[in-house]
Amino acid sequence: DAGITQSPRHKVTETGTPVTLRCHQTENHRYMYWYRQDPGHGLRLIHYSYGVKDTDKGEVSDGYSVSRSKTEDFLLTLESATSSQTSVYFCAALLAGESEQYFGPGTRLTVT
Amino acid sequence: GENVEQHPSTLSVQEGDSAVIKCTYSDSASNYFPWYKQELGKGPQLIIDIRSNVGEKKDQRIAVTLNKTAKHFSLHITETQPEDSAVYFCAASRARGGFKTIFGAGTRLFVKA
Repeated sequence: DAGITQSPRHKVTETGTPVTLRCHQTENHRYMYWYRQDPGHGLRLIHYSYGVKDTDKGEVSDGYSVSRSKTEDFLLTLESATSSQTSVYFCAALLAGESEQYFGPGTRLTVT
Repeated sequence: GENVEQHPSTLSVQEGDSAVIKCTYSDSASNYFPWYKQELGKGPQLIIDIRSNVGEKKDQRIAVTLNKTAKHFSLHITETQPEDSAVYFCAASRARGGFKTIFGAGTRLFVKA
């Protein structure tokens, strides 16, 4: 798992509440990514980071924000959760100069 | 926008047969094409990759081919085994700009014993 953990692993929340998912890595990966996985859509990139405080939008960034204040942590925030954000969220990380993205175990989020 | 199409969405083969999964991509600037295997309840894991300056790459029972002109790439698994059953994703990315990666929708492979 290349030292990538996600927390929480499961969460149920109500529509309109804020939610923050955490990705933590211990291998000094420069790049970090948040994806969501939904049936029929594969993995879709939400946001990514290419360094501390450097982030950019992916394909499906609306309704999500991210922060990376230190190398090892990449946070994904849903400011006001909606049912359409029910999904499995994966964090991934990549070392500078490498090509392989290492994925975390995923967080299953249900918005009721 | 950038897109990766993957076919088929489901594939069922008999143990020992071959399996082929095909992908097409739209971004002509893509130069790195990884394939990931995802087992139930886990994150995807890289199984093989190919770069745009190579037409074919093989690793034991797994091979990948790339046709840059047609923007097609394929995964070939020979002598399939039950443990090959999983969801497979193709992807395309650029080697610059943080390796922003676009994934296909996935293929669920069933290998029947």
